[in-house]
Amino acid sequence: EAAVTQSPRSKVAVTGGKVTLSCHQTNNHDYMYWYRQDTGHGLRLIHYSYVADSTEKGDIPDGYKASRPSQENFSLILELASLSQTAVYFCASSDLAGNQDTQYFGPGTRLLVL
Amino acid sequence: AQSVTQPDARVTVSEGASLQLRCKYSYSGTPYLFWYVQYPRQGLQLLLKYYSGDPVVQGVNGFEAEFSKSNSSFHLRKASVHWSDSAVYFCVLSSSNMGYKLTFGTGTSLLVDP
Repeated sequence: EAAVTQSPRSKVAVTGGKVTLSCHQTNNHDYMYWYRQDTGHGLRLIHYSYVADSTEKGDIPDGYKASRPSQENFSLILELASLSQTAVYFCASSDLAGNQDTQYFGPGTRLLVL
Repeated sequence: AQSVTQPDARVTVSEGASLQLRCKYSYSGTPYLFWYVQYPRQGLQLLLKYYSGDPVVQGVNGFEAEFSKSNSSFHLRKASVHWSDSAVYFCVLSSSNMGYKLTFGTGTSLLVDP
């Protein structure tokens, strides 16, 4: 069974503060993704990576940075958190490009920015 | 541009009843289609996927979906629902021409009355 873990599971941050969300996968997958989910909406892609030390912008990258220091780890960084970044964030991994193979999702991180 | 529409935000059915969750997609090319399920406070899990061939695909836990190119639809069905099927269901679109990108519908929240 594929395994993707996220930490923290929930976080309260202050506006203007720095937030780092971490993701770890034990699937030996090359591709990793960060999505955000807003109430009543589907998931939207923020950043993704297909190899360590390289990241790519997704559909909504503004206000976010990503870091992939190793195949197993992928972080999402909010340098200056804003109210609009309150959401649930999901990490996922896949073996091939996500359009073909199954993406395995972590349990999510609930972020509240005050 | 591609899009996915799930017209029913919420569906309530009685346990043992049949179920259909609707999904319509908009894409000019050949689509890859998925249904994912999100149980409360969990990440998304793949139910089934369609790439080509038989338009009726079987998934886990008795779910199936039927692809219709003429109707641009990919409806999810189950013959007899159980209370544990209560969750949010997402229809997802991708394609070989779309690279990494998954396009999510807004989700349908299913409540099964015991």
